[in-house]
Amino acid sequence: GQQLNQSPQSMFIQEGEDVSMNCTSSSIFNTWLWYKQDPGEGPVLLIALYKAGELTSNGRLTAQFGITRKDSFLNISASIPSDVGIYFCAGRDDKIIFGKGTRLHILP
Amino acid sequence: GAVVSQHPSRVICKSGTSVKIECRSLDFQATTMFWYRQFPKQSLMLMATSNEGSKATYEQGVEKDKFLINHASLTLSTLTVTSAHPEDSSFYICSASSGHNEQFFGPGTRLTVL
Repeated sequence: GQQLNQSPQSMFIQEGEDVSMNCTSSSIFNTWLWYKQDPGEGPVLLIALYKAGELTSNGRLTAQFGITRKDSFLNISASIPSDVGIYFCAGRDDKIIFGKGTRLHILP
Repeated sequence: GAVVSQHPSRVICKSGTSVKIECRSLDFQATTMFWYRQFPKQSLMLMATSNEGSKATYEQGVEKDKFLINHASLTLSTLTVTSAHPEDSSFYICSASSGHNEQFFGPGTRLTVL
């Protein structure tokens, strides 16, 4: 079946630093999605990417849909404490397949 | 944006009992609803897809007789965990789609089976 490899698994950064995480797939997706999940809550959509090569921003977040349609990255600039959480990439065809997540920790 | 609710948010039950979890789309009609399970520190795993008025489609390895899904209306889907056991303890999350290329997730239900 389809698999998504998300890296890194976890990150420890200083407040104010930029963050980068990525996702690769063994197969092609028509849509790439990035979600954030806070403890005990459902995932919240951050950015949706619909076209290969597309680069989309949402505030301090920027994500790109890889040209091969098998990868995507998410960048967070100037991290702040509320960025702490788990970030999931997801690929969608008729259903959404989630990556394993990247846990972001911010050191004071 | 579209809102999806789940009830209850937390439930604790004894082993062998059944538990029903509701998923509602509050401000849109959900032609399709999805049920996910998430174990601690792991990703969301799709359990089943349900379309209003028809039988759910279960993912490989998910027992349809144990996880009963009913999608009787365009705003409500229910997941019943039958004869629950401690290994069924997990975070259950639903999502709903109106068919316009968007899926909206509920806040999740924490199930603990003693």
